[in-house]
Amino acid sequence: AQSVTQLDSQVPVFEEAPVELRCNYSSSVSVYLFWYVQYPNQGLQLLLKYLSGSTLVKSINGFEAEFNKSQTSFHLRKPSVHISDTAEYFCAVKRWASNTGKLIFGQGTTLQVKP
Amino acid sequence: ETGVTQSPTHLIKTRGQQVTLRCSSQSGHNTVSWYQQALGQGPQFIFQYYREEENGRGNFPPRFSGLQFPNYSSELNVNALELDDSALYLCASSPGQGNTEAFFGQGTRLTVV
Repeated sequence: AQSVTQLDSQVPVFEEAPVELRCNYSSSVSVYLFWYVQYPNQGLQLLLKYLSGSTLVKSINGFEAEFNKSQTSFHLRKPSVHISDTAEYFCAVKRWASNTGKLIFGQGTTLQVKP
Repeated sequence: ETGVTQSPTHLIKTRGQQVTLRCSSQSGHNTVSWYQQALGQGPQFIFQYYREEENGRGNFPPRFSGLQFPNYSSELNVNALELDDSALYLCASSPGQGNTEAFFGQGTRLTVV
């Protein structure tokens, strides 16, 4: 079985400051890793994903995450946040070579960007 | 190309009633998954449909059931509603049963009173 732990339920940060949202996972098999973002009253949008290859993956809006197999982590970072980054962020895993698209999510981290 | 659309956006039901939620998948996608997101929680996988057959299910009781139609749209049915069924129900479509690309709709907010 797989599980995902997001270590912070809320992260308040000032605009233009750096931020890190932490995610650890547990799995007995190899997994793919994802970060999704959810704005108020909306569904989930894929922010970035790690499937294979380079362990550092980046999104088009400045976020990046690094897969660390030894620490079973996939932390999300951004060097300078904007007010518009205020949202709920979910880390998720999916089993390799599974015949379902089942995603297992963490409980979410609320990023609150203050002016 | 349209994205994933869900209807209705909001719904209020009474305990013990039945409800049907609908999802239109993204064009070209033959796989639909449903998730339940309780307030303050991450989404939990309910089940997945691939080419009109259920091919994966999470830890939800049989009163949660679904259908997928030939055009790959889908329904989630919940019988004998309980207060704890109050949640945001999310539908996601993808172009294959094990595909890593999942596109989510905006969700249906169900309130059971």
